[in-house]
Amino acid sequence: DAKTTQPPSMDCAEGRAANLPCNHSTISGNEYVYWYRQIHSQGPQYIIHGLKNNETNEMASLIITEDRKSSTLILPHATLRDTAVYYCIVRVFYTGANSKLTFGKGITLSVRP
Amino acid sequence: NAGVMQNPRHLVRRRGQEARLRCSPMKGHSHVYWYRQLPEEGLKFMVYLQKENIIDESGMPKERFSAEFPKEGPSILRIQQVVRGDSAAYFCASRSGGSYSNQPQHFGDGTRLSIL
Repeated sequence: DAKTTQPPSMDCAEGRAANLPCNHSTISGNEYVYWYRQIHSQGPQYIIHGLKNNETNEMASLIITEDRKSSTLILPHATLRDTAVYYCIVRVFYTGANSKLTFGKGITLSVRP
Repeated sequence: NAGVMQNPRHLVRRRGQEARLRCSPMKGHSHVYWYRQLPEEGLKFMVYLQKENIIDESGMPKERFSAEFPKEGPSILRIQQVVRGDSAAYFCASRSGGSYSNQPQHFGDGTRLSIL
């Protein structure tokens, strides 16, 4: 699976949009981008995933560049409860036996009042 | 619609004892994954199971650790003769879909294992 690069941390003000970047310059055409977050001491929470089109759900939007070498997770109106470590993970979708997720260090988002 | 259920939430064992961690996947999910998070470290994959089959155990320590996902009942991660280094949070995830699927994994809230 392609490796991802995320800055170690960022912060944003409550109520503002949080834009979390992720680089995956070696991504292959059959690899999806997944985003998870882990709030302190809890299990990772699935947020969103996509292949090449932009995706939106009730939690967030995922913007993938045309060349697919990077993506941005957007939390439109960040709240204090969004403070967490966010993981960007790239995974081949037709993996069969090899469908594990490989977590990196992620990016720590701190939402300030 | 219940999520992935793990129990116990906290487990304390003495060195040399056995630890059994249970995971009930989401309804309709036939794929189960176990991950371990050591203190101050990231999540590491351990094992991937489908009903009655181990598909990928490349992340499992070679000794003392085993996992199963029987036809009926929860998936079990078993650690024999525990040592202090086994102290960690153990997370289970499940997903739907076939073997070749982009469906996301959904995680439980983990079992915190402490070894005295």
